Amino acid sequence: QKEVEQNSGPLSVPEGAIASLNCTYSDRGSQSFFWYRQYSGKSPELIMFIYSNGDKEDGRFTAQLNKASQYVSLLIRDSQPSDSATYLCAVKGNNRLAFGKGNQVVVIP
Amino acid sequence: DAGITQSPRHKVTETGTPVTLRCHQTENHRYMYWYRQDPGHGLRLIHYSYGVKDTDKGEVSDGYSVSRSKTEDFLLTLESATSSQTSVYFCAIKSSGGVSYNEQFFGPGTRLTVL
Repeated sequence: QKEVEQNSGPLSVPEGAIASLNCTYSDRGSQSFFWYRQYSGKSPELIMFIYSNGDKEDGRFTAQLNKASQYVSLLIRDSQPSDSATYLCAVKGNNRLAFGKGNQVVVIP
Repeated sequence: DAGITQSPRHKVTETGTPVTLRCHQTENHRYMYWYRQDPGHGLRLIHYSYGVKDTDKGEVSDGYSVSRSKTEDFLLTLESATSSQTSVYFCAIKSSGGVSYNEQFFGPGTRLTVL
């Protein structure tokens, strides 16, 4: 089983809707979780990090962590065309981050 | 951009030639990382450094070596480049202290093509 899995294919959402992205991880001892946004041809940009169970909100972004079920999710409210990008989930273990393959989000005006 | 620069930004080379990529940071971060990103594989760790002259292997280290003789510079060397090393290479640092103590921040990347 891969350490970090993002299984959903490209996600198309209408402008103004909520985009929901999910990520599961295999290491039950993981403590730190991150979401990066990557525009085409650019480097990953950290948008959220979460360390405790529950929800963490930052502007239009909400990260949700459930350690018992080993998943972390990202919600993007009021999606904008500028949110069109690939979103990478990352989980920290042993001084390194393990990344999922990413989910592409396309916001349709 | 967390004060990270990478050079060169683009490089085309031939199979069998040595290639060195440079990552430079200006904020005295202890931890530095080299990743490669390929379609279908995501970001994969090549090597990382936890201090001057202190380095360790990541998950895809074969064919790569690194050196860190100064805090600000982390070099990635492909001793004899192969076509399978065509990729986009990202350097990253791990922040320390304050609110950010675990997060990694990425440089702009180097696109390497091995013909």
